[in-house]
Amino acid sequence: GQNIDQPTEMTATEGAIVQINCTYQTSGFNGLFWYQQHAGEAPTFLSYNVLDGLEEKGRFSSFLSRSKGYSYLLLKELQMKDSASYLCAVTDSNYQLIWGAGTKLIIKP
Amino acid sequence: DTGVSQDPRHKITKRGQNVTFRCDPISEHNRLYWYRQTLGQGPEFLTYFQNEAQLEKSRLLSDRFSAERPKGSFSTLEIQRTEQGDSAMYLCASSLGTGDIAEAFFGQGTRLTVV
Repeated sequence: GQNIDQPTEMTATEGAIVQINCTYQTSGFNGLFWYQQHAGEAPTFLSYNVLDGLEEKGRFSSFLSRSKGYSYLLLKELQMKDSASYLCAVTDSNYQLIWGAGTKLIIKP
Repeated sequence: DTGVSQDPRHKITKRGQNVTFRCDPISEHNRLYWYRQTLGQGPEFLTYFQNEAQLEKSRLLSDRFSAERPKGSFSTLEIQRTEQGDSAMYLCASSLGTGDIAEAFFGQGTRLTVV
């Protein structure tokens, strides 16, 4: 079966750094997305990785290791507005997005 | 173009009633997806259109659910004989792609409550 695992919840302090991990087992791989979703709102795109390595975009970076079926999202200089759920999604061999359940990130002052 | 729009934003219905939701994708996007999301879970795939053709439908989708995209533009999702278990957020997303990977843009969703 297809499976994506992420921690259910994480807590971090404003100004700090947090790493959200995602492991996946899918039938084929055509890329991995990270989305941010605030409570009651739609997911919004953060990053896309298809090759191994680190993609940096401002305060957010995403890493991929295809051989390990592993990705992480790194958030630096955390702000209160970063409190949200972070969803990992993998595109399988049929180009369908397989979603994780999301990691709820709580930022404390 | 202001992005993907969904209507209504909220719907409360009695069990057994039929409901229909509408999604207007970003105008040049050829792909349109419907997802369902419950609290604390990631989006669950329901169905997918490329232009007007419905290419895939989740095995989890019962025959009470039907979706159309008649002219390859807007789409409707109908749920017949609603059940309390249908209560969820229904998300629509669109993307521009021809077989490769494309970022999906989501609408604000329609929150359905079946009482």
